Amino acid sequence: DAGITQSPRHKVTETGTPVTLRCHQTENHRYMYWYRQDPGHGLRLIHYSYGVKDTDKGEVSDGYSVSRSKTEDFLLTLESATSSQTSVYFCAISGADDYGYTFGSGTRLTVV
Amino acid sequence: QKEVEQNSGPLSVPEGAIASLNCTYSDRGSQSFFWYRQYSGKSPELIMSIYSNGDKEDGRFTAQLNKASQYVSLLIRDSQPSDSATYLCAASTDSWGKFQFGAGTQVVVTP
Repeated sequence: DAGITQSPRHKVTETGTPVTLRCHQTENHRYMYWYRQDPGHGLRLIHYSYGVKDTDKGEVSDGYSVSRSKTEDFLLTLESATSSQTSVYFCAISGADDYGYTFGSGTRLTVV
Repeated sequence: QKEVEQNSGPLSVPEGAIASLNCTYSDRGSQSFFWYRQYSGKSPELIMSIYSNGDKEDGRFTAQLNKASQYVSLLIRDSQPSDSATYLCAASTDSWGKFQFGAGTQVVVTP
């Protein structure tokens, strides 16, 4: 999507390995979010950021960490990947706390 | 636990008819509500936002909000095959722009 890119688009990794997903935006938006989407569960918030180095946990944060050292980049790390973390991961950005999101194209992660 | 509920569908709609999608939310403090459309294998895209009770129209889409009943709906008029997608309802939670999403309603428009 314009203004927000995620990398990689697809990744297969082994159980127990660390994995980092990247979200990059060119909109200079303050708010950035990581969600995972699983069948039957919809989108669930993992972590979010409201500014550089300002991050907090969402509802499904166990096993994940994030970092935001620059406005444009928000990294999601799976510290030790498990099969339950097989999912589609979406990054989203927003310019204000009551605006809708713009989503990235997503990363399909498979943990084997 | 704050929840947003949607019928999963599929909702089958003849081409040219009105598709009616419903969503209920549990958090009475929610102030902002959104509808997203998601095509298979793609990311969600924002199609409507609504903040006040009543109706809001944008082209063929109408969003309706009733905060007293904690109910949000989306009407799609003159449904087209290109409207076949999953529609996600989202409601704001506390602060920092966080939203609770429903699991989505799949809409299938048949020619």
